[in-house]
Amino acid sequence: QSALTQPASVSGSPGQSITISCTGTSSDIGGYEFVSWYQQLPDQAPKMLIYDVSNRPSGVSNRFSGSKSGNTASLTISGLQAEDEADYYCSSYTSGTTLVFGSGTKVSVL
Amino acid sequence: QPQLQESGPGLVKPSEALSLTCSVSGASIYSNNLYWGWVRQPPGKGLEWIGSIYHSGKTYYNPSLKSRVSTSVDTSQNLFSLTLTSVTVADTAVYFCVNVVCSINCYFLRYFDQWGPGTLVTVSS
Repeated sequence: QSALTQPASVSGSPGQSITISCTGTSSDIGGYEFVSWYQQLPDQAPKMLIYDVSNRPSGVSNRFSGSKSGNTASLTISGLQAEDEADYYCSSYTSGTTLVFGSGTKVSVL
Repeated sequence: QPQLQESGPGLVKPSEALSLTCSVSGASIYSNNLYWGWVRQPPGKGLEWIGSIYHSGKTYYNPSLKSRVSTSVDTSQNLFSLTLTSVTVADTAVYFCVNVVCSINCYFLRYFDQWGPGTLVTVSS
């Protein structure tokens, strides 16, 4: 199965909003409401930020929000902070009863 | 919150089998809405889902690894395991054990919830 497509890098200034896209197909993102997003800080395990497209677990800042349109999901970080510098991955359930990750996006705070 | 911890050899020879165990605390392997699984990350690269197993033994695997992967659960010790056969240098990675929240009746795998800290496995002679 092919990885979902994410931009390799996205950058922004403190306080700005940035959006990371995650493009798949009708067999994964477009077919199900099971898209999730993860933040991975250097040398740490990933941490779940968003589940089921747009739901945020308790303890995750409301500066993180998720959405989906067609075969593309998006993660928006508003009020960008230095601590948001990390790698971000999307994931989706697929029609083959499998899970697939995105290629990953490195977020830099200028 | 469940806590997961990987254990196993950090060095495996090419063509041999890689075996890892994940100990679970703070949650039961019998949880009805959880699968247990493995994700790996080669150095400097992205995440790859390996596979997941339910307490009943039902499994789902990444098609690209399916021929070499097997997983099992030990409900008496609240742990689950991974075996990857015929390893090559391309299997060198940090291996994370995870739990996967599933939908009602566990028909769909929804998202990765808790992660272990990860363990680096190097394939080298």
